[in-house]
Amino acid sequence: GIQVEQSPPDLILQEGANSTLRCNFSDSVNNLQWFHQNPWGQLINLFYIPSGTKQNGRLSATTVATERYSLLYISSSQTTDSGVYFCAVGQSGGGNKLTFGTGTQLKVEL
Amino acid sequence: DSGVTQTPKHLITATGQRVTLRCSPRSGDLSVYWYQQSLDQGLQFLIQYYNGEERAKGNILERFSAQQFPDLHSELNLSSLELGDSALYFCASSGRGAGTGELFFGEGSRLTVL
Repeated sequence: GIQVEQSPPDLILQEGANSTLRCNFSDSVNNLQWFHQNPWGQLINLFYIPSGTKQNGRLSATTVATERYSLLYISSSQTTDSGVYFCAVGQSGGGNKLTFGTGTQLKVEL
Repeated sequence: DSGVTQTPKHLITATGQRVTLRCSPRSGDLSVYWYQQSLDQGLQFLIQYYNGEERAKGNILERFSAQQFPDLHSELNLSSLELGDSALYFCASSGRGAGTGELFFGEGSRLTVL
């Protein structure tokens, strides 16, 4: 099956810093989503981004499907950004049957 | 609040027992998905239902079964429970028919098997 690799696995930032999280996938996809799992375990959809660039406040994401990667940018990080960020991909005909990466654990400190 | 409701939030039971997890999708969503999150396997897709019919199957054990009812709520039944079934079980729904689109997760049901 398709492989999804995320980097870095762990990241510690000072509040106010910027960061870039990367997601590489091993095959073509028609579905890519980024999720944030907060410290209480809740999974929150950040972006549905099979291609192109999207922005939502301090977060933005870019997917280059032809090169099989996606990036999530977090600017001016806040302590509430802490948690695990997951990239999940789906292939043609698979709908929202998603394969998740192992995540990037982010901790934002004061 | 994603609009997806799951009950119970926490469940502790013994090996060999059977439990049922319940999910109500967002209003208007016809697709329901079940995912399992465990320490060793990460987040894994289990099964999808669309408007009452099974649409896709993932790494779901034969001891597990699911269904979607006419009111679109779904239940995941886990039987002959083993220690390794301890995990966070998520339900999710999406609105774009049976295809792709933003996936919205419930808060999960944390199952502990002792």
